[in-house]
Amino acid sequence: GDSVTQMEGPVTLSEEAFLTINCTYTATGYPSLFWYVQYPGEGLQLLLKATKADDKGSNKGFEATYRKETTSFHLEKGSVQVSDSAVYFCALERTNAGKSTFGDGTTLTVKP
Amino acid sequence: IAGITQAPTSQILAAGRRMTLRCTQDMRHNAMYWYRQDLGLGLRLIHYSNTAGTTGKGEVPDGYSVSRANTDDFPLTLASAVPSQTSVYFCASSPGQGSPYGYTFGSGTRLTVV
Repeated sequence: GDSVTQMEGPVTLSEEAFLTINCTYTATGYPSLFWYVQYPGEGLQLLLKATKADDKGSNKGFEATYRKETTSFHLEKGSVQVSDSAVYFCALERTNAGKSTFGDGTTLTVKP
Repeated sequence: IAGITQAPTSQILAAGRRMTLRCTQDMRHNAMYWYRQDLGLGLRLIHYSNTAGTTGKGEVPDGYSVSRANTDDFPLTLASAVPSQTSVYFCASSPGQGSPYGYTFGSGTRLTVV
């Protein structure tokens, strides 16, 4: 079945540091890939997405590239801020799956 | 603002009581979902509905039921609450099965069963 594996957290960085959160997936065909962010006490929000190989999703300074050859969708940001502290979820959805598959989430804490 | 409304925001419930968590969306999305989120366990799908009039079981459906009488509403019912159902519950929606647009989530209902 489909699965998403995220880098284990928690991740703690200093402000302005470079961020990478690894995400790899297992799925047949060509799923769409997503990153969601959950701020404390809130629901998940869609951060970015990519729907085909080599697509790059970007939003709020975050980027992720759909790598079919390595089945990966790593999240990156060049310079994190304290306000980026949140839980980040990687997810996939196949065309006929009926529902998304989520990773377990990675908690990011950014210290001033 | 278009989105999902969940109610109540939080609730303390006595074990054995019946409870319905409400979820309403105004985006005319076909698909809707209920998840529970527990520390260390990520998101777990309880039930889903790909279109009005149909529902399906997720990975943790026991003790919960849903209905989808129309496009906008997707209530989740706990027939007889137990302490293990203490969790944060999120409702979500998407334009349709296999949508490349991702999910829209509500703000959640924090439920404590005592």
